[in-house]
Amino acid sequence: DQQVKQNSPSLSVQEGRISILNCDYTNSMFDYFLWYKKYPAEGPTFLISISSIKDKNEDGRFTVFLNKSAKHLSLHIVPSQPGDSAVYFCAATLGTDKLIFGTGTRLQVFP
Amino acid sequence: AAGVIQSPRHLIKEKRETATLKCYPIPRHDTVYWYQQGPGQDPQFLISFYEKMQSDKGSIPDRFSAQQFSDYHSELNMSSLELGDSALYFCASGFQNSDTQYFGPGTRLTVL
Repeated sequence: DQQVKQNSPSLSVQEGRISILNCDYTNSMFDYFLWYKKYPAEGPTFLISISSIKDKNEDGRFTVFLNKSAKHLSLHIVPSQPGDSAVYFCAATLGTDKLIFGTGTRLQVFP
Repeated sequence: AAGVIQSPRHLIKEKRETATLKCYPIPRHDTVYWYQQGPGQDPQFLISFYEKMQSDKGSIPDRFSAQQFSDYHSELNMSSLELGDSALYFCASGFQNSDTQYFGPGTRLTVL
């Protein structure tokens, strides 16, 4: 049973445009959400996170939005750069506990 | 800044052999997590340790065991290896009172 879902396996965006990666979850008890970026042959790199008591968190080009009523979060990257091309995983956690990952979205940013 | 270190980066074993994966957390982090990522899959939680005690357990086979030592490094021991154990194994570390986990580069285990 996949508690965290990323329904788009891939996304292609032109450089300079906005990339929007989506994530849905089923467990309303999740209280913290994170986004990780992963290059091939490397471990996931932490990007940005958001607590369930917030609806937005911003860090430079990255913004995460949380809609608790819809059990949906999204990661906005603007402007997108070729170096952003990677697999993006959203993850959720219950307290300070194990991370439950989504299936990942492969982002490709082309010139 | 120091990151999570994992060794070896690559490991090739045959069926029924044993393997030991090592993880060195970020200094002062008190919690270590192990995850397994199969081909085309998302990382799945295996086990975690807080202050050298097992704190949580996920879908870890009985053939696997792990521990955290006094210097906070952790080892994942895998016995009677099966073809299906071929995967990337990630270690992550963090603080017990923080939700953010920082991942190592992973160990790619191939079982032939």
